[in-house]
Amino acid sequence: QQQVKQSPQSLIVQKGGISIINCAYENTAFDYFPWYQQFPGKGPALLIAIRPDVSEKKEGRFTISFNKSAKQFSLHIMDSQPGDSATYFCAARGETSGSRLTFGEGTQLTVNP
Amino acid sequence: DVKVTQSSRYLVKRTGEKVFLECVQDMDHENMFWYRQDPGLGLRLIYFSYDVKMKEKGDIPEGYSVSREKKERFSLILESASTNQTSMYLCASSLLGHYSNQPQHFGDGTRLSIL
Repeated sequence: QQQVKQSPQSLIVQKGGISIINCAYENTAFDYFPWYQQFPGKGPALLIAIRPDVSEKKEGRFTISFNKSAKQFSLHIMDSQPGDSATYFCAARGETSGSRLTFGEGTQLTVNP
Repeated sequence: DVKVTQSSRYLVKRTGEKVFLECVQDMDHENMFWYRQDPGLGLRLIYFSYDVKMKEKGDIPEGYSVSREKKERFSLILESASTNQTSMYLCASSLLGHYSNQPQHFGDGTRLSIL
């Protein structure tokens, strides 16, 4: 069963706009929440990650917002660019699961010029 | 830079064949993973290994097995390929270390078609 639910499945944004991708989880024992970015023909690569002891993490145009009580976290891409067009996956790791991640379903982002 | 190399980008096999997918990493990582990627289902873990000759089942191990005889190499085996195993297969590796939040490094995938 999918323990991390991601939405939307696809997203189209104009250049300069804000892209928002949401994820929700059920397992309160998750303790690490990374986002991966995948370009066509390539494997996913770590983009940004957050731990539940902070509510927000920002790296350049990318920000993770984390709501522990709602068990939700989201990726915001500010000033979206055509080069950001990719598939984005949220993920979560359990406290006792070592390095194992549970991934969301993925969001295909298209940024139009 | 970490490099994870998957032996084939595209592979076409027939139903019932035994299929081997190979993955090699060059950064001495302890952990290695096999995922399959299907549209709308994300990345689903098939098997992972945290040491040579060690393996753990993931979420969808049925119909698959793995082998890790050397630290740098992790093989995924489809014992008797079926059409529902047509998919993109991704290999990943990472350093051991739960609290250091080591990222997983992925290969570029093998697109496997079973006819």
